[in-house]
Amino acid sequence: AAGVIQSPRHLIKEKRETATLKCYPIPRHDTVYWYQQGPGQDPQFLISFYEKMQSDKGSIPDRFSAQQFSDYHSELNMSSLELGDSALYFCASSLLGQQNTEAFFGQGTRLTVV
Amino acid sequence: AQTVTQSQPEMSVQEAETVTLSCTYDTSESDYYLFWYKQPPSRQMILVIRQEAYKQQNATENRFSVNFQKAAKSFSLKISDSQLGDAAMYFCAYRSRHGGSQGNLIFGKGTKLSVKP
Repeated sequence: AAGVIQSPRHLIKEKRETATLKCYPIPRHDTVYWYQQGPGQDPQFLISFYEKMQSDKGSIPDRFSAQQFSDYHSELNMSSLELGDSALYFCASSLLGQQNTEAFFGQGTRLTVV
Repeated sequence: AQTVTQSQPEMSVQEAETVTLSCTYDTSESDYYLFWYKQPPSRQMILVIRQEAYKQQNATENRFSVNFQKAAKSFSLKISDSQLGDAAMYFCAYRSRHGGSQGNLIFGKGTKLSVKP
């Protein structure tokens, strides 16, 4: 079965650079979530999209933005990178309109800012 | 705002024995979902088990079962016949069923489970 695909898997950037993370949800899933997991931390919700519209916002810095495209893939854009942005970034997708839905996670993108 | 608390940063169990991981949560909502996710060293987030708050029956998935106490806002995970592959970080998570939060998960801090051979 198709899973959530994230690219790239690993990314190294320098301070003040820009990074773009991509997420391809499971086909027919209508909702995409982005989470940030710092070293030794629990995942923190950043932002979500339902049917290509932003549906909820968590602890996402103003330097970050995200969008969902017509093909339902999503991109997380991160500018003016800081050392503290080094983390594992997860994308998850679900079919929100269906009961008992669960969020399926991608394998994550490990971002290292040096 | 909802919160999830896992009071055991680390736990250890002997192979083939049983271990219980604790989780409590705080919410004013009556309808929600609770989950246990497993995160092995690969860092992949894997769903272990889920519970709908409106269901009184405790969820079970093979060797994994939960003890859901809605009034006490407690949601513990029991792993029976522990295997070496169960060693991982386990996160308890909460999800609203309604309202403005469109399904995002609120995680606890996690419990690191070690399995001794």
